[in-house]
Amino acid sequence: QVQLVQSGAEVKKPGASVKVSCKASGYTFTDYDINWVRQATGQGLEWMGWMNPSSGNTGYAQKFQGRVTMTRSTSTSTAYMELSSLRSEDTAIYYCARWTLRGDTAGFLDYWGQGAPVTVSS
Amino acid sequence: QAVLTQPSSLSASPGASASLTCTLNSGINVDTHNIHWYQQKPGSPPQHLLRYNSDSDKQQGSGVPSRFSGSKDASANAVVLFISGLQSDDEADYYCMIWHSSAWVFGGGTKLTVL
Repeated sequence: QVQLVQSGAEVKKPGASVKVSCKASGYTFTDYDINWVRQATGQGLEWMGWMNPSSGNTGYAQKFQGRVTMTRSTSTSTAYMELSSLRSEDTAIYYCARWTLRGDTAGFLDYWGQGAPVTVSS
Repeated sequence: QAVLTQPSSLSASPGASASLTCTLNSGINVDTHNIHWYQQKPGSPPQHLLRYNSDSDKQQGSGVPSRFSGSKDASANAVVLFISGLQSDDEADYYCMIWHSSAWVFGGGTKLTVL
């Protein structure tokens, strides 16, 4: 069965970086794009960007340009999202999710990781 | 002005119907976009409910009952998620989502209370 298993909770200081992992199983990792979505406590969903695990191509939300980097390891079927220059407003749960149809807005996010809590505090 | 605007909350009774609206920024034409709806329950990641573009181009999420349906209101430049036969299990947050300016954008979400 398809699963996305994310890394555990992180606590970081302002200005530091965090790298969250998302290990895929149950399907061919390179066939589906991975998206990242975050959610601050009690707040709504915020899309951060996408990555094509086959090519490594990425697309980031303008808000995160210059601070976010999405990468992957095809040998371990793992996607990574690194966010730098952390500030308190980055405290949130970070989700990875699989997109069903590469390059097509008719696709959707079908499988989600369990979420990785990141706390930014001095 | 936000890209997508949703009312923050809505209440309805069990067995009744609910219409959750998602209004697009006036600069975005609802007729030219696929609209996605997601449901999120506390402590869980979101779940895809459905995609709606038109009555002839739509897709129900896997295992999502037909009680959930979508539509567009071009006159209001809005999309609607309609839920019939409300059940207590439908109590959740609901988010609309579109692709705009090379990014996925979520609405602020509507908290649906069934009581």
